[in-house]
Amino acid sequence: SQQGEEDPQALSIQEGENATMNCSYKTSINNLQWYRQNSGRGLVHLILIRSNEREKHSGRLRVTLDTSKKSSSLLITASRAADTASYFCATDVPYDKVIFGPGTSLSVIP
Amino acid sequence: NAGVTQTPKFQVLKTGQSMTLQCAQDMNHNSMYWYRQDPGMGLRLIYYSASEGTTDKGEVPNGYNVSRLNKREFSLRLESAAPSQTSVYFCASRPWRGGSSYNEQFFGPGTRLTVL
Repeated sequence: SQQGEEDPQALSIQEGENATMNCSYKTSINNLQWYRQNSGRGLVHLILIRSNEREKHSGRLRVTLDTSKKSSSLLITASRAADTASYFCATDVPYDKVIFGPGTSLSVIP
Repeated sequence: NAGVTQTPKFQVLKTGQSMTLQCAQDMNHNSMYWYRQDPGMGLRLIYYSASEGTTDKGEVPNGYNVSRLNKREFSLRLESAAPSQTSVYFCASRPWRGGSSYNEQFFGPGTRLTVL
């Protein structure tokens, strides 16, 4: 079974709304990262949060990490049509192994 | 800087044929990775290399071999291709910051492989 699991699998929202995606994992981690992938193309790194951090912001992105619950969330505020993509969490487990979850497919409707 | 490059971009094989996917990075990164992505799914780790001269199995290593030729290059070999290996293959690299501190991965554009 996979280390990381995203929830929901698919999400459809109107432009301007906020989108929240969750990631749960099973084992202890060094870092957790979020990536975006547009329609089968390459992956783009969004944000990395270390195991000793609880919250991190980058532009319209907010990531939280709760190591006691082994979970993370990605919030995209004021979504745009260009945010339509698949979003993946990736857990960084000892030593230097990076495992991806199955992803959340986000559709932002103009 | 070219970043992470992968060759070829597309490949069609017949069952039982062999081939090697090439990956190179020019960012002096220590770690390199091979993933596969099946339609509608996430990336699954095949093999990774934490440094030159070392390789380790990931989640789905069966049917694959790897070589970390030098710090720049990390190749993935399919010895006897099977239809189940039809997928998009991504190579990635990332720098090591010391201790257990790593940063994000940088991905190549992918190789789309079809096995008939």
